[in-house]
Amino acid sequence: QVQLQESGPGLVKPSETLSLTCTVSGGSISSYYWSWIRQPPGKGLEWIGYIYHDGSTNYNPSLKSRVTISVDTSKNQFSLRLSSVTAADTAVYYCGRPMLRELPGPFDIWGQGTMVTVSS
Amino acid sequence: DMQMTQSPSSLSASVGDRVTITCRASQGISNHLAWYQHKPGTVPKLLIYAASTLQSGVPSRFSGSGSGTDFTLTISSLQPEDVATYFCQKYNSASYTFGQGTKLEIK
Repeated sequence: QVQLQESGPGLVKPSETLSLTCTVSGGSISSYYWSWIRQPPGKGLEWIGYIYHDGSTNYNPSLKSRVTISVDTSKNQFSLRLSSVTAADTAVYYCGRPMLRELPGPFDIWGQGTMVTVSS
Repeated sequence: DMQMTQSPSSLSASVGDRVTITCRASQGISNHLAWYQHKPGTVPKLLIYAASTLQSGVPSRFSGSGSGTDFTLTISSLQPEDVATYFCQKYNSASYTFGQGTKLEIK
């Protein structure tokens, strides 16, 4: 059974870059559109962007100027970098996999989520 | 910019009640609509996709309907374990957009 696990620092200083990695276990990273999603405290879910195993990406327009998502197929991992963070970027960050291969569909597999706080 | 508007934002109902949550898309999205259940301390759970297809393992009291811009999630008989926040989500090759969520409580 495929499982996702987020990892990275839980505290980031304002203006710095947030970096997270999602490790895929129990299956291959190939043939899926892998996403990052976040949820600020007390607010709704926000899709950040996705990456296909070939490295092609698509980002939320509201975050596009600050986001980079990359993939390392040899490690079965994909990563998020969000630059110039502010307190508004404080959130639980999830990685997610859609239910169908080759299509950016709804997510049936989620990582457990990792809380990232932006504070000096 | 695509918007997904859910209503109500919160809802209180009694065990056994029929509960309806709506989601409206600012543009037509065919049936590319999913519903999730999210309980505190857990990850979101996919309930329905393609607007009306029940995900495997989800109780049959949950159902979805709609197409185009207007969609509905219905719980036919509310159970205590259904207390959660429910999100709709539009999906396609261009992007994903979530609704703001509906918090469901038991009276």
